[in-house]
Amino acid sequence: EAGVVQSPRYKIIEKKQPVAFWCNPISGHNTLYWYLQNLGQGPELLIRYENEEAVDDSQLPKDRFSAERLKGVDSTLKIQPAELGDSAVYLCASSFSGERTDTQYFGPGTRLTVL
Amino acid sequence: SQKIEQNSEALNIQEGKTATLTCNYTNYSPAYLQWYRQDPGRGPVFLLLIRENEKEKRKERLKVTFDTTLKQSLFHITASQPADSATYLCALPLGSSYKLIFGSGTRLLVRP
Repeated sequence: EAGVVQSPRYKIIEKKQPVAFWCNPISGHNTLYWYLQNLGQGPELLIRYENEEAVDDSQLPKDRFSAERLKGVDSTLKIQPAELGDSAVYLCASSFSGERTDTQYFGPGTRLTVL
Repeated sequence: SQKIEQNSEALNIQEGKTATLTCNYTNYSPAYLQWYRQDPGRGPVFLLLIRENEKEKRKERLKVTFDTTLKQSLFHITASQPADSATYLCALPLGSSYKLIFGSGTRLLVRP
């Protein structure tokens, strides 16, 4: 079974440029998460989707970040414009909401460097 | 406010010894607690889940304890191997939601 797929793995951009990250969750997982992870820290939730619906986006900086999950499968996270402080690893995870314990399966992440 | 604490200093042990990692939390009453492993350049990988009514959980060389009175979980790796070297994260659900809050992780280094 394929795991969570993310692309690109690495991205280097200059500040004020836009950037987008793509995630394909595990087949059958209806819940999808985007996390941000800074060096030496644990993942921090940005947004959670149940199927196509964003059910928790309270930590998403909506002035510059946006996300979508069309058809309830793949998802895209966008930053526009990027700032220096956005340099981090962006992780995508998925889970099956039928489990009551929210065990999450993570992709390898996209390491973003903003210059 | 709710807080999760894991030792930020790396744990450096000799191969074959037991590694013990700590996760402390405050202002939480989690129904369960999870442990994840994260290798450099990779996403976290789920290892074990322990529920509030369970004192101990085992999986091969891994053992997790959960003390809701002390608000602490201990994660043990017995007969540690260099391949166990990684960062270990604990995670707790926020209230009754599916939102997991992660600790900052503890790095384990197992010397051959």
